[in-house]
Amino acid sequence: GAGVSQSPRYKVAKRGQDVALRCDPISGHVSLFWYQQALGQGPEFLTYFQNEAQLDKSGLPSDRFFAERPEGSVSTLKIQRTQQEDSAVYLCASSPRLAGFNEQFFGPGTRLTVL
Amino acid sequence: AQTVTQSQPEMSVQEAETVTLSCTYDTSENNYYLFWYKQPPSRQMILVIRQEAYKQQNATENRFSVNFQKAAKSFSLKISDSQLGDTAMYFCAFMKHGAGGTSYGKLTFGQGTILTVHP
Repeated sequence: GAGVSQSPRYKVAKRGQDVALRCDPISGHVSLFWYQQALGQGPEFLTYFQNEAQLDKSGLPSDRFFAERPEGSVSTLKIQRTQQEDSAVYLCASSPRLAGFNEQFFGPGTRLTVL
Repeated sequence: AQTVTQSQPEMSVQEAETVTLSCTYDTSENNYYLFWYKQPPSRQMILVIRQEAYKQQNATENRFSVNFQKAAKSFSLKISDSQLGDTAMYFCAFMKHGAGGTSYGKLTFGQGTILTVHP
């Protein structure tokens, strides 16, 4: 595909369950970002990868959140023991080089609802 | 830390008319980038326009232009000849400039402005 893809598009979890959200960036893109977007709000930064290296995880809200990109392409965001406040849309974005002025290309997001 | 404020939760405009969306930001940085992103209903976020802070000339992209006032820390978006397809949520975003470092490439977004274009 030409764009960033994310799966699943929708996820409903019971409180306390673990979830895994997948991001397939555009092929060859070096930079990959995860953002969390609460309903009616702007996205908030979670974490950043340059190839397989996680260079910034300052936005992860708790140690229940974990992200990886082991081969420098596909990334997974894992949330353990989900809580209701984790309900949000999780956006993935990729960029062809080191970011900065380069455009970030966003995926459609995964809408997570925790009951 | 940087903050981005969009003070207009909702705006509306008639087709073919012009509308301006406001954005202010707060930063102690001198070099940075500013962006406007568009998020149509149930669709992916896409870049509308971007501005480098060291460039005094305002960026333009077809019907979209910005009014960048660095001293006032203001970055408004003007949409001319509005079209129905412009209906979306618009986000202003800030990015600190610099190679490496923990903030490199990280976007800080405002709360968004919902724009509705009426026929």
